[in-house]
Amino acid sequence: EVQLVESGGGLVQPGGSLRLSCAASGFTFSSYDMHWVRQATGKGLEWVSAIGTAGDTYYPGSVKGRFTISRENAKNSLYLQMNSLRAGDTAVYYCARVAMHSGVVENYFDYWGQGTLVTVSS
Amino acid sequence: EIVLTQSPATLSLSPGERATLSCRASQSVSSYLAWYQQKPGQAPRLLIYDASNRATGIPARFSGSGSGTDFTLTISSLEPEDFAVYYCQQRSNWPRVTWTFGQGTKVEIK
Repeated sequence: EVQLVESGGGLVQPGGSLRLSCAASGFTFSSYDMHWVRQATGKGLEWVSAIGTAGDTYYPGSVKGRFTISRENAKNSLYLQMNSLRAGDTAVYYCARVAMHSGVVENYFDYWGQGTLVTVSS
Repeated sequence: EIVLTQSPATLSLSPGERATLSCRASQSVSSYLAWYQQKPGQAPRLLIYDASNRATGIPARFSGSGSGTDFTLTISSLEPEDFAVYYCQQRSNWPRVTWTFGQGTKVEIK
C-alpha cells in the first residue's frame, strides 16, 4: 500500500525557517517524481515545488529562492526546506506522487499524504 | 502561464441530481487535465485523469469530458458522499514547468 506521511510542520515566526519531511512507503520511491502542494485554510490548492528522479527541481515564482525541495532515496524521503517564511506561507503542506504508467511520467498526482500544518506568525 | 478557471464556484444540489462542473483553460492543454475531490480535513483524491479516464476505484457515476480549453466533470446522480470540493489541474512546460489548479467548485447539499 502506497503511503506518504508528512512531518515537520509547526509554528514559526516571520523570517524563520522550517524543514518538512515526507516519508514514503509501499512503492519504489526513487522511480517517481514527487511534489509539494499547499493549501491555506479555506482556500484552494497551490503547487509549491517538484523534484524529478534525476534531482531536477521546479518552483513557482511565489517560493523560488526561498524554498528548496530535495530527496533522499536511500531513506525513501522527500524534504522541503522553507526559508524567509511569510504569513502568506501559512498552509497545510501535502506531499504528492506523480503517476507513472509503463515507465511514462504522467501529468497528475495519484497519491497524496495527509498534510502537515505550517503556521507563520509572531 | 496557463490559468484554469472553474465554474460555478458553488453548486447547490440535492442527492440524486446531476452535477455538471466546468473547468476552462486559458490556453489549450490538449487532454492533459485531471480532476480531484477533496472533503473537509482530507487530502485531495484523484478522480479523473487525461480528461476522461476514471482513476482506480472511482465509481462510474463520475465522468470527465473535453479537450483543448473546455472540460467538464459530471456526476450523474449525486450520492451523499459526493458533496465536496472539486479541483481541476494541469501541467504545462512553457514558458517553464508549472503545475496549476483551478480555484475549485464546492458541491453542497441544497
